[in-house]
Amino acid sequence: GEKVEQHQSTLSVREGDSAVINCTYTDTASSYFPWYKQEAGKSLHFVIDIRSNVDRKQSQRLTVLLDKKAKRFSLHITATQPEDSAIYFCAANTNTGKLTFGDGTVLTVKP
Amino acid sequence: GALVYQYPRRTICKSGTSMRMECQAVGFQATSVAWYRQSPQKTFELIALSTVNSAIKYEQNFTQEKFPISHPNLSFSSMTVLNAYLEDRGLYLCGARETISNERLFFGHGTKLSVL
Repeated sequence: GEKVEQHQSTLSVREGDSAVINCTYTDTASSYFPWYKQEAGKSLHFVIDIRSNVDRKQSQRLTVLLDKKAKRFSLHITATQPEDSAIYFCAANTNTGKLTFGDGTVLTVKP
Repeated sequence: GALVYQYPRRTICKSGTSMRMECQAVGFQATSVAWYRQSPQKTFELIALSTVNSAIKYEQNFTQEKFPISHPNLSFSSMTVLNAYLEDRGLYLCGARETISNERLFFGHGTKLSVL
């Protein structure tokens, strides 16, 4: 089955800098890649997603890049703020409807 | 907008007892509901995927005998954790989507299960 790997368990940046979180997946049938964030003690909050028919999607300070050949996708956050601190989860979804999550990256934005 | 309400938010049960959690979709039709568990310090594991009018598909390591799920209509789903033990503690999330092709999952707040 699908395996999603998130390569950084932690990432620390200074406020105002950019943060990049990288993920890889194994199933070439995966066609949908969402990102979620989880703040301490809370549920998953949707951040941004990308479908396999495009290789880039931007929403304000967030950009997702998808490289289907390398089976790799990444989340880029520009002008980071302390409020961006959270655990970020990438995920991949095949057309069976099963969404598989990575292990999460703890992002800390230091003031 | 699309919302998913999940309750209870927190629950504590004695070892060997059972607890039920419920999920309500508002503003859209929850054709497909996925139940996940996040054990302490871990990621989200899929327990089962339920589609209205289809059989519920359980993932390896999870069974209907332990985690029975009901998905009777397009707005409601419930899951019970039977005979809960320490290894069952964690955050349980339901995620719902309108169709398989409309792939974004809307998640509820989660049910945090503690087992004494």
